[in-house]
Amino acid sequence: SQKIEQNSEALNIQEGKTATLTCNYTNYSPAYLQWYRQDPGRGPVFLLLIRENEKEKRKERLKVTFDTTLKQSLFHITASQPADSATYLCALNSNSGYALNFGKGTSLLVTP
Amino acid sequence: DTAVSQTPKYLVTQMGNDKSIKCEQNLGHDTMYWYKQDSKKFLKIMFSYNNKELIINETVPNRFSPKSPDKAHLNLHINSLELGDSAVYFCASSRLSDGTQYFGPGTRLLVL
Repeated sequence: SQKIEQNSEALNIQEGKTATLTCNYTNYSPAYLQWYRQDPGRGPVFLLLIRENEKEKRKERLKVTFDTTLKQSLFHITASQPADSATYLCALNSNSGYALNFGKGTSLLVTP
Repeated sequence: DTAVSQTPKYLVTQMGNDKSIKCEQNLGHDTMYWYKQDSKKFLKIMFSYNNKELIINETVPNRFSPKSPDKAHLNLHINSLELGDSAVYFCASSRLSDGTQYFGPGTRLLVL
């Protein structure tokens, strides 16, 4: 069966450090992979999309890598800030269309 | 200028009742979705509509019936509510050509 796995435990890091979150998947051949941010009581917000033929994508302090051989994506936040504290969700397009299948998310806490 | 809006934000009701949740997007997108996020924060696709036509129904009980009166609206009607229906329901939209999704703020449903 298809699975998307993210670090289930919360990630606590100090302000200024780089946070690295992992997303592994099985039984998918995704055309693209996306990362979303979700704050408590709010809907997910799109951050980055990376396509199967792209190895890396950057946006300001965010960097995503996509290794279709390893079936893994890494999401990096450099120079992390307390405002980066949130849950980060990895998502793949479902086989049935443009709907997304989400991982359970990784909770990130950045402390001053 | 809310892109995707949902009403109501909170819904508390008794088992066996029928309720509706409304969703509207002003982004001009072709495709709209309903997702359910349970108490473990797992976000799961329920339905997808493209140009008012149902394209995805992910084994959701018949008690759930989506209706799309036009491209900008996708409502969710739930009959005979059960305790297990308690969750946060998110509406989302996207352009068909682009997998990026825009989520509403969510409707928190509590069935007593």
